[in-house]
Amino acid sequence: EDKVVQSPLSLVVHEGDTVTLNCSYEVTNFRSLLWYKQEKKAPTFLFMLTSSGIEKKSGRLSSILDKKELSSILNITATQTGDSAIYLCAGLMNTGFQKLVFGTGTRLLVSP
Amino acid sequence: DAGITQSPRHKVTETGTPVTLRCHQTENHRYMYWYRQDPGHGLRLIHYSYGVKDTDKGEVSDGYSVSRSKTEDFLLTLESATSSQTSVYFCAISESERTGELFFGEGSRLTVL
Repeated sequence: EDKVVQSPLSLVVHEGDTVTLNCSYEVTNFRSLLWYKQEKKAPTFLFMLTSSGIEKKSGRLSSILDKKELSSILNITATQTGDSAIYLCAGLMNTGFQKLVFGTGTRLLVSP
Repeated sequence: DAGITQSPRHKVTETGTPVTLRCHQTENHRYMYWYRQDPGHGLRLIHYSYGVKDTDKGEVSDGYSVSRSKTEDFLLTLESATSSQTSVYFCAISESERTGELFFGEGSRLTVL
């Protein structure tokens, strides 16, 4: 069964802290790993990672994929209250129609 | 922001009644999807469409049907709603099925009593 597991389930940090969110996957015909941020409503796309070991960065967020360990991490440095959200990880399959398998998410709360 | 609107945004209905959720896009994207999001399960694909009148089942399609008569509209129908279909439903669109980058609507919260 295809699955994506995220840890921790939830996390509370203080503003300015650095956090690392984890994602492990078992996805048939794996193609890419994606990260989304879900604030109050709609998830929004953050990163897509296809190659192992290549870091992707966007401001204070960065992510890297380890295909040998079937995992990815999302780092957020100098956290701000606006980073409070659920972070979703998803594995993209490459089997006919390319399907996403989502994890249940990590709920991050950044306190002032 | 991608132009996706879902309606209704909130609905309370009773078991056994039919329900239709509408997704409307203004991006002219070919691919449209319906997901449900439940605690402990993450987002799960119900149905998807790869063109007008072209649809297929996702992983949790039982009890749901879809229709796409125009590029911009994708309807999700629960023929006879059950309490297990209480959920938040998200519509999403994408230009390509190869990237995995989806643009989501704001969600429709459905409660079946």
